[in-house]
Amino acid sequence: GENVEQHPSTLSVQEGDSAVIKCTYSDSASNYFPWYKQELGKGPQLIIDIRSNVGEKKDQRIAVTLNKTAKHFSLHITETQPEDSAVYFCAAKSGGSYIPTFGRGTSLIVHP
Amino acid sequence: EAGVAQSPRYKIIEKRQSVAFWCNPISGHATLYWYQQILGQGPKLLIQFQNNGVVDDSQLPKDRFSAERLKGVDSTLKIQPAKLEDSAVYLCASSFTAGGLDTQYFGPGTRLTVL
Repeated sequence: GENVEQHPSTLSVQEGDSAVIKCTYSDSASNYFPWYKQELGKGPQLIIDIRSNVGEKKDQRIAVTLNKTAKHFSLHITETQPEDSAVYFCAAKSGGSYIPTFGRGTSLIVHP
Repeated sequence: EAGVAQSPRYKIIEKRQSVAFWCNPISGHATLYWYQQILGQGPKLLIQFQNNGVVDDSQLPKDRFSAERLKGVDSTLKIQPAKLEDSAVYLCASSFTAGGLDTQYFGPGTRLTVL
């Protein structure tokens, strides 16, 4: 089955800095890569996703890049704000599965 | 639109007791998922329903966990008897369909503590 590794486990930045979270996956058949943000006491919420036929996708301050050859994808947050503080999960889903496999999460702390 | 609803939000029980969680998915969503999220880890799928039928329950510990989705809408997840290692957040999610790139919408979760 799919295995997703996520790094770092904790990321601390100053407000206004950029934050980058990296994930690798094992199944070369994976073709869908969503990113979720989970705030304290809430369920994960989808913030951006990318499909295997696209190398990069951007939505305001958030961007995701995908390198299918190396089997890794990254989340980039620019101009971070305190409200970006949360746990971020990457996930990968292969065409043969309905269920994404999640990484272990990155706790992002943005200091004002 | 209303999101995925779950209750209770918190539950504390002693080991060997029984517990049940309830989930009401987004209206019109055919697919419902139950996940277990242990502290410091990503969600792990326990069971997936398509309408009122089970699609995948390969990771459900069937000796103690059970789930049902009568009438293809609400769902309940039960643990009987609970063990210490069952302490986790139980997340319910729903999606419009089961396949493709359909987005999953998560509820707030039920935090279970087993003493």
